[in-house]
Amino acid sequence: GESVGLHLPTLSVQEGDNSIINCAYSNSASDYFIWYKQESGKGPQFIIDIRSNMDKRQGQRVTVLLNKTVKHLSLQIAATQPGDSAVYFCAESRGYNKLIFGAGTRLAVHP
Amino acid sequence: GAVVSQHPSWVICKSGTSVKIECRSLDFQATTMFWYRQFPKQSLMLMATSNEGSKATYEQGVEKDKFLINHASLTLSTLTVTSAHPEDSSFYICSAELSGATDTQYFGPGTRLTVL
Repeated sequence: GESVGLHLPTLSVQEGDNSIINCAYSNSASDYFIWYKQESGKGPQFIIDIRSNMDKRQGQRVTVLLNKTVKHLSLQIAATQPGDSAVYFCAESRGYNKLIFGAGTRLAVHP
Repeated sequence: GAVVSQHPSWVICKSGTSVKIECRSLDFQATTMFWYRQFPKQSLMLMATSNEGSKATYEQGVEKDKFLINHASLTLSTLTVTSAHPEDSSFYICSAELSGATDTQYFGPGTRLTVL
């Protein structure tokens, strides 16, 4: 069935390096995508979003790229810090404001 | 701004009892709230969409008689897990949508339910 999925369940990076977390989606009708960060025992925290009429959006240390041709979404974190360690979820909105979450990627930042 | 709270943050109950979880939007009005369930090391699964003043819309496979949702005001939605069993143990998370601002959901901190 249709789903939002992630390529890597775990990503380990060195502190200071850049991180790239990927996400594939299957519904070409989705028009809104969000990245969330979830720390252990907490609710999801909004990081950045992007609409389907854009290819790239930048925030503070984070960039989201959207490739509609291959239905791929990525989150880039610059100069990764220990505080970035968490599980990252992509989510897509298919109308009626319902969010469909991907499986999640755990980011582990090593000193 | 846009803070969502949940109460309690964790609860332990005996099998067969009912548990109520509250979700509140503290500084904004939310016409629509959402309830999610998250099992360990898994993603968030939408359970139901709660609209103020009307019946909740449940996702396929979610028992409406077991997970009672009430959204009586623009700042409060409650989820009651009735006759809880150990398999209902999970992390329950709510989100609230800012009225008039579609696609923007603010998440609560979650409630850890453990059924013995």
